[in-house]
Amino acid sequence: QTVVTQEPSLTVSPGGTVTLTCASSTGAVTSGYYPNWFQQKPGQAPRSLIYSTDNRHSWTPARFSGSLLGGKAALTLSGVQPEDEAEYYCLLNYGGAQLVFGGGTQLTVL
Amino acid sequence: EVQLVESGGGLVKPGGSLRLSCAASGFTSSSYTMNWVRQAPGKGLEWVSSITSSDTYIYYADSVKGRFTISRDNAKNSLYLQMNSLRAEDTAVYYCAREHRGLGRFDYWGQGTLVTVSS
Repeated sequence: QTVVTQEPSLTVSPGGTVTLTCASSTGAVTSGYYPNWFQQKPGQAPRSLIYSTDNRHSWTPARFSGSLLGGKAALTLSGVQPEDEAEYYCLLNYGGAQLVFGGGTQLTVL
Repeated sequence: EVQLVESGGGLVKPGGSLRLSCAASGFTSSSYTMNWVRQAPGKGLEWVSSITSSDTYIYYADSVKGRFTISRDNAKNSLYLQMNSLRAEDTAVYYCAREHRGLGRFDYWGQGTLVTVSS
């Protein structure tokens, strides 16, 4: 069974920088897994932030960036705002027949 | 404006069936891969099923294989999820989400519909 692992929780100060990661139990994450990142606030549907590793949607603030880092997919928030407090999920595509979400990272802005 | 609106959720007994719908507007859904994703209360997101553009390929998570069926009606620009032999662990909010598979791009999500499986 394929498992995608994220940090359960992270805390960052307003204006700071934080990096969330997404690891695969099958080995290094590459661009071929088309990593996507989503933000979800309580009571709301997920919102797409980043697709195919490092591409922002038109609605994604520039302070969000995606990359590959040390064999993992990564989401970096620079200049964190209070409204960035949310749950963040990554999604990896294992050849199209299987998509697996990470367990989510609860980001606290404090 | 792209919109996805799910409907059809509700309370059903274990072993029962339910059919979810996702009405798409602002785009032609048959040109995209469409997905169902669910979220159990207080838990994370779980991919359930995908149907690729032109219905070329259909995929299911192991947890629902053999019990759930994804389909779409192009004339109605709608996506469906037929759920049979429902179990308590199928209780979740079910979302539909659009994907441009060639770009690895998830973009739009619906607001979700709650399915509760309980006696």
